[in-house]
Amino acid sequence: AQSVAQPEDQVNVAEGNPLTVKCTYSVSGNPYLFWYVQYPNRGLQFLLKYITGDNLVKGSYGFEAEFNKSQTSFHLKKPSALVSDSALYFCAVRDTGFQKLVFGTGTRLLVSP
Amino acid sequence: GAGVSQSPSNKVTEKGKDVELRCDPISGHTALYWYRQSLGQGLEFLIYFQGNSAPDKSGLPSDRFSAERTGGSVSTLTIQRTQQEDSAVYLCASRAPGTSYEQYFGPGTRLTVT
Repeated sequence: AQSVAQPEDQVNVAEGNPLTVKCTYSVSGNPYLFWYVQYPNRGLQFLLKYITGDNLVKGSYGFEAEFNKSQTSFHLKKPSALVSDSALYFCAVRDTGFQKLVFGTGTRLLVSP
Repeated sequence: GAGVSQSPSNKVTEKGKDVELRCDPISGHTALYWYRQSLGQGLEFLIYFQGNSAPDKSGLPSDRFSAERTGGSVSTLTIQRTQQEDSAVYLCASRAPGTSYEQYFGPGTRLTVT
């Protein structure tokens, strides 16, 4: 079965510093990977996806993610964090059998001023 | 255009009562999903509708849960004889046809069973 793991429950970073939120995957076949963000009392917002092509994927709000096949990772990155980036981030993989997304447990990002 | 909408935004019900949660997907989106987000946990897939095909119900936790999608658009998730462990945020998502793959989520319905 397809799965993703987010090893960190929480990531703390100071505003202006680069941030990384980690995600590793386990799939059979080619992975279709996604990042979503959830702000308090809001639904999930799509940030970016990797289907095929360049390993560095750019998304919304200045976020990007790097697909690394040898390390089976898809880490989310941003060069300079903003306080407003503080939210819950979910990595997900598409289940090829039934089209649903399989989500990680989420990582809370706290950006301090 | 308009995003996925869900109603109600909050629902408090007594144990044993039935509840209905509604989802209006993005216009033109043929796929519709229901997920559940419990406190401190990730998102759990419940059910998936694609066009006129039979839904994938593999994620429904018990026979108290059911869902339907009328006319290929609006969907209703029904929970019968609610239990306290049903308390969660229920999220609906829709996806455009083709190979876009990404799903777009509604704001969710927070269900509290007392």
